Amino acid sequence: QKEVEQNSGPLSVPEGAIASLNCTYSDRVSQSFFWYRQYSGKSPELIMSIYSNGDKEDGRFTAQLNKASQYVSLLIRDSQPSDSATYLCAVKIKAAGNKLTFGGGTRVLVKP
Amino acid sequence: DGGITQSPKYLFRKEGQNVTLSCEQNLNHDAMYWYRQDPGQGLRLIYYSQIVNDFQKGDIAEGYSVSREKKESFPLTVTSAQKNPTAFYLCASSPPPLAGGPVEQFFGPGTRLTVL
Repeated sequence: QKEVEQNSGPLSVPEGAIASLNCTYSDRVSQSFFWYRQYSGKSPELIMSIYSNGDKEDGRFTAQLNKASQYVSLLIRDSQPSDSATYLCAVKIKAAGNKLTFGGGTRVLVKP
Repeated sequence: DGGITQSPKYLFRKEGQNVTLSCEQNLNHDAMYWYRQDPGQGLRLIYYSQIVNDFQKGDIAEGYSVSREKKESFPLTVTSAQKNPTAFYLCASSPPPLAGGPVEQFFGPGTRLTVL
């Protein structure tokens, strides 16, 4: 089992709809969780970080963390064509210092 | 203008050659990282450094070497021992954690290495 798993997609979403991305992780002592957006050919850029159970909202983005079920999700409200990208989930495990473990990414396509 | 710079943007290497990828940051971050990304894949950690003159192997260190002589610089050498070096190489840095909060990593623009 991979340490961090994401559905590779593509996740096709109509413009204006909500895109829902999921990420599961295997290590129960994982501490912090991050969502990065990566456009084709570019480097990842940080969207959200979360480390407490519950929801965290930032503009059109909401991160949801459930440590008991070992998943973290990202919601993109009012999806725009500019949201079309690959979204990477990353997890920091306490025992591993500041290292992050990345999932394979979910490709999102927002169709006008 | 603060940030992380990587050079060159594109690099072509012949088989059997060593090449060095540059990574510089002026964010005053202590920790720096090197990742490799293959097409359609996530990021895999090659090496990381938490402090000057110290670094640790990541998950795929074989065929790579690094140095950390200055806080601002963390160059990566891809040696001829790396059997499949064609990939997108990303450098990242992170500030010290604040009161137990998440330690966020920020990425440079990347170097795309192609072995001819």
